Amino acid sequence: DVKVTQSSRYLVKRTGEKVFLECVQDMDHENMFWYRQDPGLGLRLIYFSYDVKMKEKGDIPEGYSVSREKKERFSLILESASTNQTSMYLCASSPTGNTEAFFGQGTRLTVV
Amino acid sequence: QKEVEQNSGPLSVPEGAIASLNCTYSDRGSQSFFWYRQYSGKSPELIMSIYSNGDKEDGRFTAQLNKASQYVSLLIRDSQPSDSATYLCAVNKESNYQLIWGAGTKLIIKP
Repeated sequence: DVKVTQSSRYLVKRTGEKVFLECVQDMDHENMFWYRQDPGLGLRLIYFSYDVKMKEKGDIPEGYSVSREKKERFSLILESASTNQTSMYLCASSPTGNTEAFFGQGTRLTVV
Repeated sequence: QKEVEQNSGPLSVPEGAIASLNCTYSDRGSQSFFWYRQYSGKSPELIMSIYSNGDKEDGRFTAQLNKASQYVSLLIRDSQPSDSATYLCAVNKESNYQLIWGAGTKLIIKP
């Protein structure tokens, strides 16, 4: 089975802090994605990566950056956390662009 | 027009009946279509994938695809209370690696 693991299930951070969300997949997938999900807004793509050290902006990249130094790991960085970044963050991976995505368990981030 | 559209619901269905969930998409070049189930507070999990016109059955679930009408549906037979969840439709974007997501339909199965 594909396993996508996010480093934290729940996280509480203060405004202005730098926040790192880590995601690891164990199936040698090429593509990895970071989404946020808010009530009424559905899944919104923040960034995705189709190869090591490659990244592409999604629909809402402002306030976020990413890092993919190794194929299995994709990190999301909130440079200076703000309260409007309180959300559920979901990491996903997929073998290719035309195949299904597999999700981690999600990180519920609260910025206070 | 949204790229992938779903009725947000909630859709209420009696236990044991057939639940029918619908999704339309705008990109005619799309090749891959997926249905995910998401329980409250959990991450989406894949239920069905479909790539060619027609029906695909897996247990109580049937996915239906009509590319001419740009329409994909999910039927759940013998609905159970445990099927109560939000169902997300996802369609691949031909031009890149992304999946485009519908906003989801909330399904409630009433005992």
